[in-house]
Amino acid sequence: AQSVAQPEDQVNVAEGNPLTVKCTYSVSGNPYLFWYVQYPNRGLQFLLKYITGDNLVKGSYGFEAEFNKSQTSFHLKKPSALVSDSALYFCAVRATTGRRALTFGSGTRLQVQP
Amino acid sequence: GAVVSQHPSRVICKSGTSVKIECRSLDFQATTMFWYRQFPKQSLMLMATSNEGSKATYEQGVEKDKFLINHASLTLSTLTVTSAHPEDSSFYICSARDTPYELGLYTGELFFGEGSRLTVL
Repeated sequence: AQSVAQPEDQVNVAEGNPLTVKCTYSVSGNPYLFWYVQYPNRGLQFLLKYITGDNLVKGSYGFEAEFNKSQTSFHLKKPSALVSDSALYFCAVRATTGRRALTFGSGTRLQVQP
Repeated sequence: GAVVSQHPSRVICKSGTSVKIECRSLDFQATTMFWYRQFPKQSLMLMATSNEGSKATYEQGVEKDKFLINHASLTLSTLTVTSAHPEDSSFYICSARDTPYELGLYTGELFFGEGSRLTVL
């Protein structure tokens, strides 16, 4: 079975500071990894994905994530946070074979203070 | 990216009635769509996988007779909550991908609808 853990319910950061939202995963074989963002009462918006290749993935709105196979992690990062980044962030995983649906983590609420 | 439209965005109904939620892929064909349910302050739980032209595949614990899924065309999947009760109140989100499952080469992300908030009185 595949699973995702987001250990932090909420992350608080001051505007202009770097931010990190943590994610670890468990899957059989190689993973496809994703980050999505959700604003209140809205669907999910895709931020970035790791499929293969370079471990550092760059995505939308200045976000990036680093795939670490040995630590089974895929932490989301941004060098300088904006107040508008405040939202709910979900990490998701699926295996490259077998089950095709995404499994989501529990979500981390990012609060960026002005 | 590809656009998925979901309707209605909000619906309030009386207990015992049925509610239909539509999910449309606007600029691509979606042979597979997924229906998720999200409780307040919780993650998305996969309910079922909707396959065009065939029966949906339900996750364990999801009542297929209560949550009817129909994927009649390559751009439309519907979720009908039958005989709704207050405990069915939730945020329902559909998603789709724009690469045919059958190719077995899919590596892309899912595109999500805006969600439908169902409140059953």
